[in-house]
Amino acid sequence: DAGITQSPRYKITETGRQVTLMCHQTWSHSYMFWYRQDLGHGLRLIYYSAAADITDKGEVPDGYVVSRSKTENFPLTLESATRSQTSVYFCGTGTSGRKVHEQYFGPGTRLTVT
Amino acid sequence: AQTVTQSQPEMSVQEAETVTLSCTYDTSESNYYLFWYKQPPSRQMILVIRQEAYKQQNATENRFSVNFQKAAKSFSLKISDSQLGDTAMYFCAFMRAGGTSYGKLTFGQGTILTVHP
Repeated sequence: DAGITQSPRYKITETGRQVTLMCHQTWSHSYMFWYRQDLGHGLRLIYYSAAADITDKGEVPDGYVVSRSKTENFPLTLESATRSQTSVYFCGTGTSGRKVHEQYFGPGTRLTVT
Repeated sequence: AQTVTQSQPEMSVQEAETVTLSCTYDTSESNYYLFWYKQPPSRQMILVIRQEAYKQQNATENRFSVNFQKAAKSFSLKISDSQLGDTAMYFCAFMRAGGTSYGKLTFGQGTILTVHP
């Protein structure tokens, strides 16, 4: 049981390029999330999805686009990467109903924008 | 909006001793959850303990326990009998228990804990 996988695990890209970070889950959890982790800020929510085709902005959505056509996938796209988007990105899932407060995290993707 | 503050950027403790990590939060909500997550050098986020705001009893999980003071909006983590494997970054986090923010976590800045042999 793979749980949550993220790909790539490491990525270096140039300013202005489009980058897509992939997230895949095998649990069929309703909720999926993207967070970024930066020194001094902890983790901050970028986007959030309660179900397939339902997404909502988090705390820091600018410069990012998400889609969720299938329950198991939640890709995050940086349309035109900037140096300020250099960060570690975590995908997470949560179940619906009473256990939505139990969240699970993927291994993270370290993105460097040069 | 909720805020979570961890005022201790770094802490250290000797193996087998007890350490307490501090967390305060600000919210106007009455129903919410609080969490402590551990992030070891592997970067994997691991849930350590969870507290429901409506429960007066402090949560415990083996060597980990919390001191939840709802009126003071304080949520500290106590680690007893510290082990070398407890060395990690620890994050305090808040989640509203309902409404459109259901499922969204707000994290503190983190505290780096080092356990010395």
